[in-house]
Amino acid sequence: AQTVTQSQPEMSVQEAETVTLSCTYDTSESNYYLFWYKQPPSRQMILVIRQEAYKQQNATENRFSVNFQKAAKSFSLKISDSQLGDTAMYFCAFMIDSWGKLQFGAGTQVVVTP
Amino acid sequence: DGGITQSPKYLFRKEGQNVTLSCEQNLNHDAMYWYRQDPGQGLRLIYYSQIVNDFQKGDIAEGYSVSREKKESFPLTVTSAQKNPTAFYLCASTPGVSGQPQHFGDGTRLSIL
Repeated sequence: AQTVTQSQPEMSVQEAETVTLSCTYDTSESNYYLFWYKQPPSRQMILVIRQEAYKQQNATENRFSVNFQKAAKSFSLKISDSQLGDTAMYFCAFMIDSWGKLQFGAGTQVVVTP
Repeated sequence: DGGITQSPKYLFRKEGQNVTLSCEQNLNHDAMYWYRQDPGQGLRLIYYSQIVNDFQKGDIAEGYSVSREKKESFPLTVTSAQKNPTAFYLCASTPGVSGQPQHFGDGTRLSIL
C-alpha cells in the first residue's frame, strides 16, 4: 500500500520569507502523480501544484515550487515571498492508478505572521 | 461557472438516523469521490465512482452507502451503522483521465445531536 508522510505538523513563517514543507511517500510504482493541496480556514481544498513522476523538471506555480527527488521518494513544497493569505493546512497527495484515487498525508499547518 | 456543489453546509444527525449528503457537479467529469476529514488528519477515501451505475469502496466504506444514477450526482448516505459520523465530508471529481487533479466541493460538516 502507498503511504504519504508529512513530518511537520506545523510551521510558522514571517511575511516575505520562504518556507519549505516536506513530504515523503512509499511506492513500488514507477509512473505516478504527486500534488500539493492547500486548505485555508474556509476549508476549501485548492490545488497548489502537480508533478508527474516521469518528468525530471520540478514543477513551479508562481511563488510555489517543488523539489522532486524520485529516488529518495521526496516531494517538498517551497513557498517563496510568503503572504498572509498563504496561512492554511497544506496536504501532500499521491495518485497511482487510473481510478484517480488520492492518498493524502496528514497535513502541515502553515502560519504566516506579519 | 462550472463546479461542485455540496449541500447542506451543516447537517445534524440524531442517533439511529440515516442522513444523505448531496454532491452535484456540472464539470462533465466522469469520476467522483467522497472523502472524510477528521480534525488534524488528512482526507480518507470513502467511496468512488468512475461511471454511472458503478462505484467502488474506498478505505473506510463501512457505515456509508452511495449511488451514481446520473453522471453529475453522487450522493453519500451516512447510515446508523456508522458509529462515529461526526466529521467534515468532501466530494471531489476528475475528468477520469489518469493524472488529472481532483476538484473539490466546499464540504459538509456533519454533527451528532
